[in-house]
Amino acid sequence: QKEVEQDPGPLSVPEGAIVSLNCTYSNSAFQYFMWYRQYSRKGPELLMYTYSSGNKEDGRFTAQVDKSSKYISLFIRDSQPSDSATYLCAMSAGSARQLTFGSGTQLTVLP
Amino acid sequence: GAVVSQHPSWVICKSGTSVKIECRSLDFQATTMFWYRQFPKQSLMLMATSNEGSKATYEQGVEKDKFLINHASLTLSTLTVTSAHPEDSSFYICSATSGGRGPVGTQYFGPGTRLTVL
Repeated sequence: QKEVEQDPGPLSVPEGAIVSLNCTYSNSAFQYFMWYRQYSRKGPELLMYTYSSGNKEDGRFTAQVDKSSKYISLFIRDSQPSDSATYLCAMSAGSARQLTFGSGTQLTVLP
Repeated sequence: GAVVSQHPSWVICKSGTSVKIECRSLDFQATTMFWYRQFPKQSLMLMATSNEGSKATYEQGVEKDKFLINHASLTLSTLTVTSAHPEDSSFYICSATSGGRGPVGTQYFGPGTRLTVL
């Protein structure tokens, strides 16, 4: 069993839809949770960062962490074609520690 | 802020030659840098972790004599692929962390280097 499981998709939605991306994990030591967005042939870009259970909102993006269930989510409201990318969840057990990535979910938002 | 650059962005080389990839943190000092490789439609695979002034720590299965990493300063790390072969063709991405920059535990990624070995 992988430490971090992420549905690879691909996921295709119409413009304006609400998108839900999810990851589950098995390592209780993970304390920091991140979502990265990666456009084709580019490096990952940090999108959201959380370290406690609950919700964190930033514009159209909401990150949700449920440590008791070992489950994290990223919601994208009013999705745009420019949101089309691969979304990677990542987790860390501490500062300057290695990140453990999910496999990534490829999202396409159709105009 | 927290910008990481890589050079070159792409390189094509002949089998048997060596290729050096540079990773620089432009606006912060990177205490730790990471090197990843990524195959098409796959996630990032950590190759090694390097701290300034010390030897890199390689992940299991990564040949340290083939993938030479030098973290000579707090803003520069290099990855040299020695005697490259076609199976080394991949997308290589570096990242950097800094104790004083950004949320704890986050890594800032470079744009990646696409290596093609003929």
